[in-house]
Amino acid sequence: QVTLRESGPALVKPTQTLTLTCTFSGFSLSTSGMCVSWIRQPPGKALEWLALIDWDDDKYYSTSLKTRLTISKDTSKNQVVLTMTNMDPVDTATYYCARTTITFGGVIAPLDYWGQGTLVTVSS
Amino acid sequence: DIQMTQSPSSLSASVGDRVTITCRASQGISNYLAWFQQKPGKAPKSLIYAASSLQSGVPSKFSGSGSGTDFTLTISSLQPEDFATYYCQQYNSYPWTFGQGTKVEIK
Repeated sequence: QVTLRESGPALVKPTQTLTLTCTFSGFSLSTSGMCVSWIRQPPGKALEWLALIDWDDDKYYSTSLKTRLTISKDTSKNQVVLTMTNMDPVDTATYYCARTTITFGGVIAPLDYWGQGTLVTVSS
Repeated sequence: DIQMTQSPSSLSASVGDRVTITCRASQGISNYLAWFQQKPGKAPKSLIYAASSLQSGVPSKFSGSGSGTDFTLTISSLQPEDFATYYCQQYNSYPWTFGQGTKVEIK
């Protein structure tokens, strides 16, 4: 079955760089139509989409955060990594990774499986 | 970026009620609209994609409709397990964007 799990530091200091890893199973990012996104949610607030990487290594980013974000994949390890530079207390949030599938017919099923999320707190 | 606006932001309803949540896009998104359910402390769960297609395993009491800029999520008969926050999300173009959420509470 499909599973995703986020990992990374629970606490980072302001100005530091955050590195999060999404480790998944049940699908391969080398398979046509597979994509992985990162989404975050500050405490008590709405979901915010951050970035997506697809099977062809195409990458897409949030407009407001694109200068700070980098998404990459390691197909052999079934992992997707997100880095966010210059962390600030407003970046305190639960960070999720989620899969998207695009069928051969072009039907997109966005964010169909999610990880449990990892809470990242930014504080000195 | 495409802005997604949900209404209402919250609602109170009773078990057995029919509930409708609206989502409006700031520009046309065809049917590239998804709905998610989130319970406290849990990851969101995909309910509907392509505006009206039910995700596998999602009960048929959930239904979606709409195209272009206006969409609705309907829960035909609210049950205790349906009290949660619901989000719409557009995937017509990058960056993908979510609505602000609608919290469904017990009356």
